[in-house]
Order: sequence, then structure tokens, then C-alpha cells
Amino acid sequence: DTAVSQTPKYLVTQMGNDKSIKCEQNLGHDTMYWYKQDSKKFLKIMFSYNNKELIINETVPNRFSPKSPDKAHLNLHINSLELGDSAVYFCASSPTRGSNSEQFFGPGTRLTVL
Amino acid sequence: QKEVEQDPGPLSVPEGAIVSLNCTYSNSAFQYFMWYRQYSRKGPELLMYTYSSGNKEDGRFTAQVDKSSKYISLFIRDSQPSDSATYLCAIGGNNRLAFGKGNQVVVIP
Repeated sequence: DTAVSQTPKYLVTQMGNDKSIKCEQNLGHDTMYWYKQDSKKFLKIMFSYNNKELIINETVPNRFSPKSPDKAHLNLHINSLELGDSAVYFCASSPTRGSNSEQFFGPGTRLTVL
Repeated sequence: QKEVEQDPGPLSVPEGAIVSLNCTYSNSAFQYFMWYRQYSRKGPELLMYTYSSGNKEDGRFTAQVDKSSKYISLFIRDSQPSDSATYLCAIGGNNRLAFGKGNQVVVIP
């Protein structure tokens, strides 16, 4: 199946823990993104990588660190998790970095911090 | 002022009704206008895309853009229960998309 995939789908953890979410796309796209969607469905860009290079880094706590080992993968590591980090995190990819390029979203990772 | 404003209020309509959704945006540098549809517990998927003022139709869906007013709309004709989802407007510019808060639409059979 050609798609954007994320693991895990659900993540429940305690405050203060460190966790990672993985994302892979097999669409051959150059650009990948991480979004955070809060309980009110507001979807906010966090990071964007183009060919492994960071191109967008919105105002996100530095506890969040993206890593792109190759252009098909973009992982998100979160240190010292806080209650406010609870949300659904979506990975997306697009053929190019341009804002006219359709973005294809993964199924999301539902993170719950207790 | 937020880049994209979308009144997030849920909308319930009877089957067959016309659904009307809209967004406003603040930055005239934005050039690309999209509507994404998100079913429950799924990722958003592109529904409509346009880059010019005017109307664009695709089946029962019409996207309308008024760049002079910085206002975009989505109309769904003859709404079906399968249209029940959250609809997010997205405005593109500066190599990124800014999303609205989304409207949850419920079409009642």
C-alpha cells in the first residue's frame, strides 16, 4: 500500500517520560511534516523537512525534536512529556515543499499523557 | 489576529440540504486555497483545491474564493450522511499551509 504510516497509533504514558513517534512515507515525496491537532480539532504545523533538511520550525518547545534519517522517514521525539502534550500528532508528506502542493496525511498518533 | 479564521461551531443538517462553510484569512500573500475533509479518527484528506478567485465545482462540492475580501467558502449540495466529517480550510503560502479550526458537519438521514 502506498501511504503515509505512523507508529504507534495510540500512546499512553506518564508525565516526565520520553517517547518517540515514527513516520514513513512510500510516496516518493520530498517534503514531510509534523502537525499537532488538539482536542478542538485545531491542526497546527510543528516542523517540516525537505530532503532531510529542516525548513519549518514553528514555535514549539525544544522538548520536541524531529529527526529525518532519510527523505522517507521523519520521526518525532518528545522529552519530559507534559499533560498539555496530549493531542493527536499527524505526519504528512507532499511531493514538493511548495505551499501549492497537496499534503497527504498519516492516520495520526493519539498521545495521552497522564 | 489568527492567519485563518474558521467558526468551529458544529453543524447538523438534514440529508439533502445544502451545507455552507467559510473561512477568512489575513495574509494576502497566501495564494492557494484548499478544503480538507477529516473523518473521525482519520487523517485529513484533500477535498478541493484552487488558486484563483471564483468558483470551482467538483460533483456536489463547490469551492469559492474571493481574494479581495480574503474569504473562502465550501458548499456541499444534496448532502449525504457520508459527508458527515470535519471540514478544514487550508490557506497556502510561504511554503506552508495554515489550517482553520475545522467545522464538524453531521448530516442526519
